[in-house]
Amino acid sequence: GENVEQHPSTLSVQEGDSAVIKCTYSDSASNYFPWYKQELGKGPQLIIDIRSNVGEKKDQRIAVTLNKTAKHFSLHITETQPEDSAVYFCAASQRGGADGLTFGKGTHLIIQP
Amino acid sequence: DTGVSQNPRHKITKRGQNVTFRCDPISEHNRLYWYRQTLGQGPEFLTYFQNEAQLEKSRLLSDRFSAERPKGSFSTLEIQRTEQGDSAMYLCASSLGGVPQHFGDGTRLSIL
Repeated sequence: GENVEQHPSTLSVQEGDSAVIKCTYSDSASNYFPWYKQELGKGPQLIIDIRSNVGEKKDQRIAVTLNKTAKHFSLHITETQPEDSAVYFCAASQRGGADGLTFGKGTHLIIQP
Repeated sequence: DTGVSQNPRHKITKRGQNVTFRCDPISEHNRLYWYRQTLGQGPEFLTYFQNEAQLEKSRLLSDRFSAERPKGSFSTLEIQRTEQGDSAMYLCASSLGGVPQHFGDGTRLSIL
């Protein structure tokens, strides 16, 4: 089955700086890669996703890049703000995400004021 | 669109008891997913439905776990003869046709 590795487990950045979280996946058949943000006591909230036919996708301060050959994808957050502090999860899925998602273990992002 | 609703938010029970959780998906979403999340880990996929049909259940953790979606709307997840290791957050997600999956805020299960 699919295995998703996520790094780092904790990331502390100064407010206004950029943050990068990286994930690798094992199954070359995976073709859908979402990123979720989870705040304490809440369920995961989708922030951005990318399909395997696209190399990069941006939404305001958030971007995701995908390297299918290397089987890794990354989340980039620019101009970080205190409200960006949360746990971020990457995930991978086959069949365009129609089946269950396989998640990484998460990155605790801390924005230092 | 009121979001995915899960009840109860917190369930405390004694070891050996049966528990049932309910999930109400976003209206008109035909797919419904169940995940388990333990402390410090990402959600772990358990099972999913398309309308009332359960399309994947091999990932349910044991035969003590079962799920239903009788009319293709809300779903229930039941755990029989609960064990200490069942303590976790149980998350439900729904989608229209596949992606994206929208998650509820989960039911936290505590086994005494």
